[in-house]
Amino acid sequence: EAGVVQSPRYKIIEKKQPVAFWCNPISGHNTLYWYLQNLGQGPELLIRYENEEAVDDSQLPKDRFSAERLKGVDSTLKIQPAELGDSAVYLCASSARTSGAGNEQFFGPGTRLTVL
Amino acid sequence: SQQGEEDPQALSIQEGENATMNCSYKTSINNLQWYRQNSGRGLVHLILIRSNEREKHSGRLRVTLDTSKKSSSLLITASRAADTASYFCATDEGGNNRLAFGKGNQVVVIP
Repeated sequence: EAGVVQSPRYKIIEKKQPVAFWCNPISGHNTLYWYLQNLGQGPELLIRYENEEAVDDSQLPKDRFSAERLKGVDSTLKIQPAELGDSAVYLCASSARTSGAGNEQFFGPGTRLTVL
Repeated sequence: SQQGEEDPQALSIQEGENATMNCSYKTSINNLQWYRQNSGRGLVHLILIRSNEREKHSGRLRVTLDTSKKSSSLLITASRAADTASYFCATDEGGNNRLAFGKGNQVVVIP
């Protein structure tokens, strides 16, 4: 069974440029998460989807970040414009059931973003 | 904000030794999970322990949970070089169904 797929794996951009990350969750997983992980820290949730609905986006900086999961499968996370402080690893995860914190989450390899 | 705080932050041991790391949290929880992260395989779920459980085993892993002290421990027995990784505890942050990760323990197993 294929795991969570993310692309690109690495991205280097200049500040003020836009950037997008793509995630394909494990087949059949209705719940999808985007996390941000800074160096030496644990992941922090940005947004959680149940199918195509964003049910927890309170920690998403909506002035520059946006996300979508139009058909309830793949998801895209966008930053526009990127700032130096956005340099981090962006992780996508999925889980089979709707309880976001009560079940095992499966993580993708992440996208390492460097903003110059 | 991250609730789980692991202790110690970094651990270096010889292959074959046991590794123990602790995690503390601040509010009531329904469950606590441990994850491992290394460069090769990303972040991988190890074990979940519910608030009504005190101990759980999975292979060479042993997890304990003390809700009165708001703490958990992860024991890796007979460590291997492949256990070199960062280990994170994560709790369900009270009431909002969100998984909150600690800062992680770095474990280095020397062959």
